[in-house]
Amino acid sequence: GAVVSQHPSRVICKSGTSVKIECRSLDFQATTMFWYRQFPKQSLMLMATSNEGSKATYEQGVEKDKFLINHASLTLSTLTVTSAHPEDSSFYICSARQGISSEQYFGPGTRLTVT
Amino acid sequence: AQKITQTQPGMFVQEKEAVTLDCTYDTSDPSYGLFWYKQPSSGEMIFLIYQGSYDQQNATEGRYSLNFQKARKSANLVISASQLGDSAMYFCAMREGRNTGNQFYFGTGTSLTVIP
Repeated sequence: GAVVSQHPSRVICKSGTSVKIECRSLDFQATTMFWYRQFPKQSLMLMATSNEGSKATYEQGVEKDKFLINHASLTLSTLTVTSAHPEDSSFYICSARQGISSEQYFGPGTRLTVT
Repeated sequence: AQKITQTQPGMFVQEKEAVTLDCTYDTSDPSYGLFWYKQPSSGEMIFLIYQGSYDQQNATEGRYSLNFQKARKSANLVISASQLGDSAMYFCAMREGRNTGNQFYFGTGTSLTVIP
């Protein structure tokens, strides 16, 4: 299947700082990428849907000013957690699809710890 | 209402035995897909098996099979001949509509522990 990578795989940052997480489709062009958040021992919750070249669509309850999503190219979407707090510590997973009728592929996830 | 319900937070199975992980779903869309993913401690989501709403037969993939009961809206995962490496979280997920690119709805997961 297609390959989706995330960088970094783990990141520790101090409270109040911002951190950027990258999601890349390595062997296909991803018109849409999805960002999920997973708290320990819980399910994946969709945060936002990102379409290349347009603004992301955020799920209810997700602060768009805090979780900035940029999908500037067909192979890269970034999630920036601004002014991070300990409660933002979580596992962030992206998935990518080539087109609306294409299969989705998950990235390996990024574990964020805010101290 | 929850789209996907997994009622077993944790399950234990003896090595080499079979185990069934429960999943029920809720949708009014006649076209949907049901998925099972395995998530080991590393966090990666590993696709296991897929069942389409119009598929006549239950899906099978090696040691994994899906017991699809459409009228009861259940899609239980059966793992045969359990191995120690099967210990992980298992998530049931649904995608509504015909477009394969639509978003997933995930259940809360079942933690499976295989006992030697």
